[in-house]
Amino acid sequence: DTGVSQNPRHKITKRGQNVTFRCDPISEHNRLYWYRQTLGQGPEFLTYFQNEAQLEKSRLLSDRFSAERPKGSFSTLEIQRTEQGDSAMYLCASRAGDHYGYTFGSGTRLTVV
Amino acid sequence: QKEVEQDPGPLSVPEGAIVSLNCTYSNSAFQYFMWYRQYSRKGPELLMYTYSSGNKEDGRFTAQVDKSSKYISLFIRDSQPSDSATYLCAMEDDKIIFGKGTRLHILP
Repeated sequence: DTGVSQNPRHKITKRGQNVTFRCDPISEHNRLYWYRQTLGQGPEFLTYFQNEAQLEKSRLLSDRFSAERPKGSFSTLEIQRTEQGDSAMYLCASRAGDHYGYTFGSGTRLTVV
Repeated sequence: QKEVEQDPGPLSVPEGAIVSLNCTYSNSAFQYFMWYRQYSRKGPELLMYTYSSGNKEDGRFTAQVDKSSKYISLFIRDSQPSDSATYLCAMEDDKIIFGKGTRLHILP
């Protein structure tokens, strides 16, 4: 499989619990992005990495959110003390460099109950 | 005013019709413009990627960019029921900024 892989596909959690999502980008892509998408909206930027360096974080990314990309390979997005408003599709994308389109994974759908 | 405006639809057209999808934007610094297609419960899939003003054609799809009007369009010729999806316009500075998406239904 040469696409962007995200796990798990679905996650249901109780409010207040911590969750972690994983993204495996296309292997030669040095840039990795996280987006969040709610129903009826386009994806909203959260953060991005170039190799292992986190270069930008959106103000949407509160202190409860943290992302890592150790060794510039896979990435994880952790949400601590989940809230119902965190329910969304979390999308990961990667790209080879500037001026190329992003390749998106199928996303992780989070439901906070 | 949001940076990227897109009519959410839904837009319903009969099979075989020409579909026109549009977006406007406010940031004149955008140089790269994209259209993504998203099926239900899937991630967005890149359809067209264009630089600056002009037209780009790929099969039944044509993307147009008019930077002077800050307006981009996607045309789909000979539309098929399999084209039914949400179409997202997107523009890039150092990251992609998406429109809300237009839900398109092609009626058999």
